[in-house]
Amino acid sequence: GAVVSQHPSRVICKSGTSVKIECRSLDFQATTMFWYRQFPKQSLMLMATSNEGSKATYEQGVEKDKFLINHASLTLSTLTVTSAHPEDSSFYICSATNRRDLNTEAFFGQGTRLTVV
Amino acid sequence: DAKTTQPTSMDCAEGRAANLPCNHSTISGNEYVYWYRQIHSQGPQYIIHGLKNNETNEMASLIITEDRKSSTLILPHATLRDTAVYYCIVRVDQGGSEKLVFGKGTKLTVNP
Repeated sequence: GAVVSQHPSRVICKSGTSVKIECRSLDFQATTMFWYRQFPKQSLMLMATSNEGSKATYEQGVEKDKFLINHASLTLSTLTVTSAHPEDSSFYICSATNRRDLNTEAFFGQGTRLTVV
Repeated sequence: DAKTTQPTSMDCAEGRAANLPCNHSTISGNEYVYWYRQIHSQGPQYIIHGLKNNETNEMASLIITEDRKSSTLILPHATLRDTAVYYCIVRVDQGGSEKLVFGKGTKLTVNP
């Protein structure tokens, strides 16, 4: 299957700082990317959907000014957690698909474990 | 909200078939059923998807009922490495933008 790479896999940051997570599609053009957050023993929660070259669509309850998403190219999307606090500690996962087609599978990155201290 | 419901957990003996059910009674005509699995602390892995016909690949088979209100994922010969949380997802088309919304999934434990 297609490869989606996330970086970093783990990050520890101080409260109040910002953290950027990168999501790259390595062997296909990702027209749509999804960002998820997963707390321990819970399912993945969709945070936002981004289409290349346009603004991300955020799910209800997700602060767009806190979780900045950029999808400027067909192979890269970034999620920046601004002014991180301990409650932002979570497992963040991206997913990418190569067209806006319900008959196309999305592939997932390996996730980023964020710990805010 | 997810459009699917699954049992919270299931057990299966190694070497036997694992049959994981999923209900999606509100599925629309153009929405596909996807199955992913997640092994602890990793990103989800794609397994299979389908619209209305049964599908089979090297990992699993997907059986979709004729009314499309439910489906079953079949792992024909489960191994210990198949222990994971299995998610059944209806890929939703919302006004030209599509979403992949996860429910709670089924935790499958394959026992030796």
